Amino acid sequence: NAGVMQNPRHLVRRRGQEARLRCSPMKGHSHVYWYRQLPEEGLKFMVYLQKENIIDESGMPKERFSAEFPKEGPSILRIQQVVRGDSAAYFCASSRSQGAYGNTIYFGEGSWLTVV
Amino acid sequence: DAKTTQPTSMDCAEGRAANLPCNHSTISGNEYVYWYRQIHSQGPQYIIHGLKNNETNEMASLIITEDRKSSTLILPHATLRDTAVYYCIVRVEGGGSNYKLTFGKGTLLTVNP
Repeated sequence: NAGVMQNPRHLVRRRGQEARLRCSPMKGHSHVYWYRQLPEEGLKFMVYLQKENIIDESGMPKERFSAEFPKEGPSILRIQQVVRGDSAAYFCASSRSQGAYGNTIYFGEGSWLTVV
Repeated sequence: DAKTTQPTSMDCAEGRAANLPCNHSTISGNEYVYWYRQIHSQGPQYIIHGLKNNETNEMASLIITEDRKSSTLILPHATLRDTAVYYCIVRVEGGGSNYKLTFGKGTLLTVNP
């Protein structure tokens, strides 16, 4: 059973460009979470999605960041007009449900964004 | 989610048991204790979780005190590859608004040869 798959693993963007990070959840998982880890800092929640719905985006910066989890295909975290402060590791995680059982959250290996 | 308190860092000799403590004195009756770890430059890895009974899997054992105010993660035979930051998190199982994991600073465990 493949784990949470993220790509690209490493991405370099110039200031002002767009970054798109993709996440395929574990098989059978329909809940996706995105976290960000700035250099030398802790993991911070960004957004929680179910298929075609954003449930909680309380941790997303108000501008330039968006996330989606379409009916078909991976979840996408999109960062428009990147700035140096966006350089970080972005982790995707997934769970089977939100209910009483099966909602252990599993993480991918991360996408490392460097803005130059 | 209830707040947890963990030591900032710990050392352990290779081959010995590593015992990582966590205090969660304000834990509620429906909150589980989860442990994750993050090896440098990797994603967080789920280790184990429990409610009130002790739990064991292929990676570790989790000992929860009877009053549930603290717990200990035990790695029975630590290896160099167990060097990582270990996070203790309490979380409601069963939906509601506490679906997400809130990470603190964790404990940096260094396993020495």
